[in-house]
Amino acid sequence: QVQLQESGPGLVKPSETLSLTCTVSGGSISSYYWSWIRQPPGKGLEWIGYIYYSGSTNYNPSLKSRVTISVDTSKNQFSLKLSSVTAADTAVYYCARDQEGYTRGGGSNWFDPWGQGTLVTVSS
Amino acid sequence: SSELTQDPAVSVALGQTVRITCQGDSLRSYYASWYQQKPGQAPVLVIYGKNNRPSGIPDRFSGSSSGNTASLTITGAQAEDEADYYCNSRDSSGNHRVFGTGTKVTVL
Repeated sequence: QVQLQESGPGLVKPSETLSLTCTVSGGSISSYYWSWIRQPPGKGLEWIGYIYYSGSTNYNPSLKSRVTISVDTSKNQFSLKLSSVTAADTAVYYCARDQEGYTRGGGSNWFDPWGQGTLVTVSS
Repeated sequence: SSELTQDPAVSVALGQTVRITCQGDSLRSYYASWYQQKPGQAPVLVIYGKNNRPSGIPDRFSGSSSGNTASLTITGAQAEDEADYYCNSRDSSGNHRVFGTGTKVTVL
């Protein structure tokens, strides 16, 4: 089955750029949306944004000015860059496959599967 | 702040039924998906769409929706169901994903 694995530095200095990569195994990155989600310690989940395998993106308006998500279909990977980080960006960062569905009753989206998550701490 | 609101905490006696709710204007047009998260673990999808369970999720988990409220019901709660639960859907514009504030479920 499809598995996702986040990788990248666990410590980033304030004002610098956080960079993470998610590697998809057991299936193709094609034909799906792929999202980044984060969770500050002891707090709830926050959707950061998604990328479609073709390269189109959609970002959380509250983070849009600092976020870039890109995809490399040849490597079955997608990546997150978050610029000008502060301590408030300290969180566990998850990647997940993002699917949509539409029926007469309405639309829906869901995240499945998820990566195990990686803790990124912003500190000098 | 989140556009999907959940009760912070609920408790349920072992073997009884508990309903977790998620409120938001977007739920009039979009279904919610639901996630279970245990300490130190990644969230796991338990319900998506109108009322669909991924493979491996017990049938004691079910979903429903009415007006601006989506609900996750656990019928016959087990000790292993103690966890945080999050709903997910769209924001009020319908253009972006958003998570609910989360509900901590305690099984007594």
